[in-house]
Amino acid sequence: GDSVTQMEGPVTLSEEAFLTINCTYTATGYPSLFWYVQYPGEGLQLLLKATKADDKGSNKGFEATYRKETTSFHLEKGSVQVSDSAVYFCALSDTGGFKTIFGAGTRLFVKA
Amino acid sequence: KAGVTQTPRYLIKTRGQQVTLSCSPISGHRSVSWYQQTPGQGLQFLFEYFSETQRNKGNFPGRFSGRQFSNSRSEMNVSTLELGDSALYLCASSIEGDLTYEQYFGPGTRLTVT
Repeated sequence: GDSVTQMEGPVTLSEEAFLTINCTYTATGYPSLFWYVQYPGEGLQLLLKATKADDKGSNKGFEATYRKETTSFHLEKGSVQVSDSAVYFCALSDTGGFKTIFGAGTRLFVKA
Repeated sequence: KAGVTQTPRYLIKTRGQQVTLSCSPISGHRSVSWYQQTPGQGLQFLFEYFSETQRNKGNFPGRFSGRQFSNSRSEMNVSTLELGDSALYLCASSIEGDLTYEQYFGPGTRLTVT
């Protein structure tokens, strides 16, 4: 079945460092891909999405490109801030099954 | 527009009891999904409802059930609670016809079973 694999955390960075969180997926068909973020004590929020191959999703300085040839959707940010500390989930939509499949999540700590 | 709301936010129950959690989707959203989030298992899909019909169900025992009302509000019920049911239960809604199936999440209900 469909699945999402993302790098294990936690990831600890200093403020203004470059961030990459790797994500790869396995899917039949052509799913949409997402990054969701969860701040402490809250539900998930959509960070960005891409709906077809070579699409780039971007939001709040974060970017990810839908790479069909490598089945990847890596999250990047050029300069992280303390406020970016959260758990990041890579996900794909299984629209035929009316559900979203999530990776295990990667916790990011950003130090001032 | 108000977001997805879930009630209650926190709940403490005793093993063997049952519990009902409630979710109100964003106005106009007719698809509602439920997920269980635990440190060990991550986010696991419970079930999805659309127009009062369950369209998909995850791999959970029959103690977990749900329903959706005509106003799209949804409830999930867990009977005969076990310690392992302690988790954050997240509800999410989606726009009808959104082929990307982007989901909007509520803040969750934190269930503790003692």
